Order: sequence, then C-alpha cells, then structure tokens
Amino acid sequence: DAGITQSPRHKVTETGTPVTLRCHQTENHRYMYWYRQDPGHGLRLIHYSYGVKDTDKGEVSDGYSVSRSKTEDFLLTLESATSSQTSVYFCAISESFPGQETQYFGPGTRLLVL
Amino acid sequence: KQEVTQIPAALSVPEGENLVLNCSFTDSAIYNLQWFRQDPGKGLTSLLLIQSSQREQTSGRLNASLDKSSGRSTLYIAASQPGDSATYLCAVRSQGDNAGNMLTFGGGTRLMVKP
Repeated sequence: DAGITQSPRHKVTETGTPVTLRCHQTENHRYMYWYRQDPGHGLRLIHYSYGVKDTDKGEVSDGYSVSRSKTEDFLLTLESATSSQTSVYFCAISESFPGQETQYFGPGTRLLVL
Repeated sequence: KQEVTQIPAALSVPEGENLVLNCSFTDSAIYNLQWFRQDPGKGLTSLLLIQSSQREQTSGRLNASLDKSSGRSTLYIAASQPGDSATYLCAVRSQGDNAGNMLTFGGGTRLMVKP
C-alpha cells in the first residue's frame, strides 16, 4: 500500500467552525489531490497540488482552501463549515502527471457538520 | 463535461459465477480508464488501468476491456468469491480537462458475492 495517512479519521463539528484535514505521504510523489465522496455523486475533485505551493481548483472547490508547504503534506481547510460539507474526504497521490499511471488513495476522513 | 455511469448500481450473485460490471462515459477523448475497488469504510484500491491505446488489461481473475469509440468499459470477474464483495468504481482521465489531472468517477457498483 502507498504510504498515505489522513488525520483525523473521523470528526464531528458545528456549522460555522473552521476545520482542517491533513494528508501525509511518505512516497515523495509530486501530485496530491483532495476528493469528496457523497452518495449519488461518486468522488469529486476539490483541489489538487502539482508541487510545493502549487495548487489549483477542482470541480467542487467552493468553500474549501488548500495549502502545501512541504512535499509530504497537503492540507484541506473548510474556513466555515456548512452541513453540505458533511462527506467522506479522500486524499490521493500520484507520481507524475497522470495520464500514464494511477492515483493511490488514503483511508478517508469522515466529517459530520451539525 | 465528462459523465461516467455505472450499471448496475448493485449486484448480488452466488459464489462461483462469472460476472460483468459496466461503465460508460460520454466523451471518448480520454487518456485512460481505471477500475478501483472500495471496501466499506476504506479508501480506493486501484485494480486495473487501461490506456486509451489499449483494448484490455488483465490481472488474475479480473479482465477489463475498453471500447473508447463507443464510450464503454467492462470489468469481468471470473469465478467470483465472497472476498470480491465490495464497491467497484470506474474513473476516466479526460483529455480536455482544465483541472489538471481530474478523474471523473462513476457512482460505483456494489457487489455482493454470497457463499
């Protein structure tokens, strides 16, 4: 298994509070991604990073921000959590520009916003 | 915008059956298509990756085919086992994406193999 950890694994928070999810990799892969998984929508890309301090938006980026200050860490922040952000969040990594190889996924973080 | 559909959404079969999972996509301009497995409460595990120039890939009892022109892929599982019970997801990497390496996922097929 690819060395990807996510923390926390579970979190319950209240509407309006800030939340930060962390993804840590030990593979030294260049690309990192944040997805959310919701019933009826499958997995959707929130943000991705193609290097330290290099990030870009995905399909569902509104309400989320990211930061990558080190190769191994990719942080996802919900500045003011809303109930619509209740979801399972997955981090993924890939070695080079994928079109050629697969992405490896972390175990996920279950977030409940009350 | 690429859309990926998986049919059926759920499937229950007795152990030992050969089965086919279907995936269709609307834009044939893709780099590749991947099949993933997801166990309950877990992340995704890549099963097979088919490049756009390939027609099929095999790994053990799994065989995935790709017909890019018709926008279809199938995942064939031979001699199914209870341990194959999981959700199977297909995802495509489209050529026209602006969002870097965005994978577009289908909704998945939840498979249950009964002993």
